[in-house]
Amino acid sequence: AQSVTQPDIHITVSEGASLELRCNYSYGATPYLFWYVQSPGQGLQLLLKYFSGDTLVQGIKGFEAEFKRSQSSFNLRKPSVHWSDAAEYFCAVVPRGGSQGNLIFGKGTKLSVKP
Amino acid sequence: DAGVTQSPTHLIKTRGQQVTLRCSPISGHKSVSWYQQVLGQGPQFIFQYYEKEERGRGNFPDRFSARQFPNYSSELNVNALLLGDSALYLCASSLAGIVTEAFFGQGTRLTVV
Repeated sequence: AQSVTQPDIHITVSEGASLELRCNYSYGATPYLFWYVQSPGQGLQLLLKYFSGDTLVQGIKGFEAEFKRSQSSFNLRKPSVHWSDAAEYFCAVVPRGGSQGNLIFGKGTKLSVKP
Repeated sequence: DAGVTQSPTHLIKTRGQQVTLRCSPISGHKSVSWYQQVLGQGPQFIFQYYEKEERGRGNFPDRFSARQFPNYSSELNVNALLLGDSALYLCASSLAGIVTEAFFGQGTRLTVV
């Protein structure tokens, strides 16, 4: 079945430590890939996106993501986490084919940051 | 530049009532999509409107309806509210029908009691 999976529901890292949030997808053709961040009670902010080309994508707030076709993954990374990064992170796809008009989201990973 | 604006920010309704949520997209954007986000879950697609026509619909009952106006703003209507309709309703705007970048509003928090 077509799906977007974020295996980690909740991750806690220390401030200054590195971060990797996992995302796997299951689609016949590589979909458009996105990472969004959501602070409590707020809307979603786009961190970065991947359509084609260079598999390492740079985003806002010091985030980057790497697309790996062989693993059907699009993991989000940050070298050094700040307390303000505490939020919920959503991986999302737009499947190629069809209307390409809607995002399909994973269930999210909640990030907590220890001082 | 104004981003995506949604109103109201919060509201409380009683089971069986009807509710209308409003969204204004970013200037120049012609597509508006609606998503429902239940606590602890990712957003679920409800509708997409592009150039005032429904372009896509998610797996939601007919109690949910929407429309887009000539100025590209949009309304989401939910009839016969159920407790399970309590959620954050998010509006997203994009330039075109194919979503290559979507910008979200802050959402409307609906509580059904």
